[in-house]
Amino acid sequence: QVQLKETGPDLVQLTQTLSITCTVSGFSLTTYNVHWVRQPPGKGLEWMGAMWNGGGTDYNSAFKSRLSISRDTSKSQVFLKMNSLQTDDTAKYFCARQNPFFGYFDYWGQGVMVTVSS
Amino acid sequence: DIQMTQSPSSLPASLGERVTISCRASQGISNNLNWYQQKPDGTIKPLIYYTSNLQSGVPSRFSGSGSGTDYSLTISSLEPEDFAMYYCQQDASFPRTFGGGTKLELK
Repeated sequence: QVQLKETGPDLVQLTQTLSITCTVSGFSLTTYNVHWVRQPPGKGLEWMGAMWNGGGTDYNSAFKSRLSISRDTSKSQVFLKMNSLQTDDTAKYFCARQNPFFGYFDYWGQGVMVTVSS
Repeated sequence: DIQMTQSPSSLPASLGERVTISCRASQGISNNLNWYQQKPDGTIKPLIYYTSNLQSGVPSRFSGSGSGTDYSLTISSLEPEDFAMYYCQQDASFPRTFGGGTKLELK
């Protein structure tokens, strides 16, 4: 069945780089788009960016040039990297699969909670 | 960016009650509006896509409607498992944006 699972550090130091891996199963990254969404504690959802099935990417300009998304199709993994972390980057980070026919996210990972520590 | 405004932010309700959550976009989004439910354990699942299409496995007490800039999610008769957070999301343009959320609480 379709599954997405995020793995990453619990704690990252201020100004350092965050790296999170989304490992998927039950579908191919060359067929489906995968997105990243984050949620600060007690707050709403924020779209960060997408890895398209063709290998391209799109980013929310709110993250300027801090954010990078890449993939390894042979390992069914999508990677998120964000540098220059600040305390307001403390959040739960989710990866989600886009439905192939519509724009909504039909499967979500459980998320990984990352705290940025000063 | 398209701003999504959800109301109310908090909705106390009783079992069996009919409730409606509203979502307004800052510009027309041509029915490209989706609804998600987030449970207290953090898990997120889709409920409604493209305004009014029920995601597979979602109970028929959930329904969606709207057009232009105004959309709504209705739950016809609340069940215990429906008390959760609800978010609308537009996929008409980038960046994708979400409403601020509605917390459906037991009255």
